[in-house]
Amino acid sequence: AQSVAQPEDQVNVAEGNPLTVKCTYSVSGNPYLFWYVQYPNRGLQFLLKYITGDNLVKGSYGFEAEFNKSQTSFHLKKPSALVSDSALYFCAVRDGQTGANNLFFGTGTRLTVIP
Amino acid sequence: ETGVTQTPRHLVMGMTNKKSLKCEQHLGHNAMYWYKQSAKKPLELMFVYSLEERVENNSVPSRFSPECPNSSHLFLHLHTLQPEDSALYLCASSPGTAPSYTQYFGPGTRLTVL
Repeated sequence: AQSVAQPEDQVNVAEGNPLTVKCTYSVSGNPYLFWYVQYPNRGLQFLLKYITGDNLVKGSYGFEAEFNKSQTSFHLKKPSALVSDSALYFCAVRDGQTGANNLFFGTGTRLTVIP
Repeated sequence: ETGVTQTPRHLVMGMTNKKSLKCEQHLGHNAMYWYKQSAKKPLELMFVYSLEERVENNSVPSRFSPECPNSSHLFLHLHTLQPEDSALYLCASSPGTAPSYTQYFGPGTRLTVL
């Protein structure tokens, strides 16, 4: 079965500090991993994805994520947080082998960047 | 967000009303999706269409009826809804249904059922 866990409902970080939003996953085949961000009253915006290749993936707005197969994790990171990064972040996974159409999402992590 | 648009953005309806949500994608994609987003719960996939053919129906109650007249438009027809159906309904599209394709989301329709 496929699943995604975002262990932190809320992450607070000071502006200018590095940020990490955690994600772990479970799939039976090869994982295809995605990060999305949602601002208030808006839909989900795609940030980055891991399909294959380099474990460090760079995406929009200076975000990056590191795929760690042994720890089944795909944590989102940014070296220096901005107040405008405050939003709800979702990790999602699809199983590359089962062919299922479902993109399984975590419950989201609310990031607050404190000025 | 201009790639995928949704109307209306907000909808309030009674339990006996019939209404429809509309989604349009301007990305030339072949697959379209309806998701339900409720507070404190993961997004729930409701329906998937590929080349206008429904390929997924995740045990959604029959009071939700999707329609995909062409690859650019997707509708969700609503009738005799329940208050627990109140949620944000998100439409998404992707080039195809392969797992590597990114899904691009619209802004959503905030639905309130009284």
